[in-house]
Amino acid sequence: SQTIHQWPATLVQPVGSPLSLECTVEGTSNPNLYWYRQAAGRGLQLLFYSVGIGQISSEVPQNLSASRPQDRQFILSSKKLLLSDSGFYLCAWRPPGEGYEQYFGPGTRLTVT
Amino acid sequence: AQSVTQPDIHITVSEGASLELRCNYSYGATPYLFWYVQSPGQGLQLLLKYFSGDTLVQGIKGFEAEFKRSQSSFNLRKPSVHWSDAAEYFCAVGAGSSASKIIFGSGTRLSIRP
Repeated sequence: SQTIHQWPATLVQPVGSPLSLECTVEGTSNPNLYWYRQAAGRGLQLLFYSVGIGQISSEVPQNLSASRPQDRQFILSSKKLLLSDSGFYLCAWRPPGEGYEQYFGPGTRLTVT
Repeated sequence: AQSVTQPDIHITVSEGASLELRCNYSYGATPYLFWYVQSPGQGLQLLLKYFSGDTLVQGIKGFEAEFKRSQSSFNLRKPSVHWSDAAEYFCAVGAGSSASKIIFGSGTRLSIRP
């Protein structure tokens, strides 16, 4: 069966520091991968998605970037964090092809101080 | 462009009472529709989905949803709620090529009154 991991679970970082959040998927190949951000009490905002290694689509221009160095690894990064980057970051995957649902990881709670 | 509206930000129902959460979507063709549930501090779990066929779909945890094309709605229902159903519920519609993306509504927070 497929599983999705996110690391770390929680993170407290000062303003201006770098960021690296990791997402890995097991038990599938060539998945579509997604990064979402959820601000407190808000819905989900799609940040990036990837349909293959090195293929990244950005949905919202901002202080973050994403990379997919391996088929089942998706990384969210920032060179300098802002206070507004605080939130709950969710990674998701789905099989390639028509109309499948997305499966979500447990999330990373990021607090920028 | 596709969009999803969940008009109710917060709903409180008594344990054992019936539940209906509203969802309206905007999409030009037959949509892919989803309902997800999120407990505090956790990821999202798929409750049910509609792709085609029978417009009444059954999901996990006793939930069901009905697709009504004429009303552009996909409301979630449960005949009798349990205290463990307290959570945030998100309606979503598939978007983009092969519905590779999902557009989420803003969510409805469900509280259960003992």
